[in-house]
Amino acid sequence: GAGVSQSPSNKVTEKGKDVELRCDPISGHTALYWYRQSLGQGLEFLIYFQGNSAPDKSGLPSDRFSAERTGGSVSTLTIQRTQQEDSAVYLCASSLAGSGWETQYFGPGTRLLVL
Amino acid sequence: AQSVTQLDSHVSVSEGTPVLLRCNYSSSYSPSLFWYVQHPNKGLQLLLKYTSAATLVKGINGFEAEFKKSETSFHLTKPSAHMSDAAEYFCVVSATNTGNQFYFGTGTSLTVIP
Repeated sequence: GAGVSQSPSNKVTEKGKDVELRCDPISGHTALYWYRQSLGQGLEFLIYFQGNSAPDKSGLPSDRFSAERTGGSVSTLTIQRTQQEDSAVYLCASSLAGSGWETQYFGPGTRLLVL
Repeated sequence: AQSVTQLDSHVSVSEGTPVLLRCNYSSSYSPSLFWYVQHPNKGLQLLLKYTSAATLVKGINGFEAEFKKSETSFHLTKPSAHMSDAAEYFCVVSATNTGNQFYFGTGTSLTVIP
């Protein structure tokens, strides 16, 4: 079946502009994660959605970052007033029920470049 | 608290020789441990995982890892490297009592020399 998809695959924006990144998880997966991968770094947790529970936003680096998940499926990560340090690859992953022993299925990522 | 240390940022091996990618973890709870692989311009893919069953875990593409609690290690091995193994490898730990905190190592870049 279809895997996790993300769009756009690449995004170039100017400093100060807002961007929206989209993630379509695997159908039926109740858990969805956003991560940020900067050059030479591991994955940095951003936010976690599990079913209808309140999302865990503890990883969001500033209030310029927000995310929502509509209808328990598609998620959008929004970065307002982008800064150059926001340049990174943003990865989305989903898992069946969000348990700590489950496999996460990753999308190909959105590569964001802020000029 | 949970954390992961990947001891080598880069590993280079000749094709046909063994691969060893080292990972040490710290966890306050019984951990689940994972190895993911990321090929250039591709998404991360699960290689194998340990979830408190057998301590020697076999994964895809001939990789395996052994959970050693006394050494807090979960090193990834393969007997014979193939050119297609060249990629970035991430060791990941999570606490099994929560579902929302996965801690990724900084990655090990594997180069396979023909």
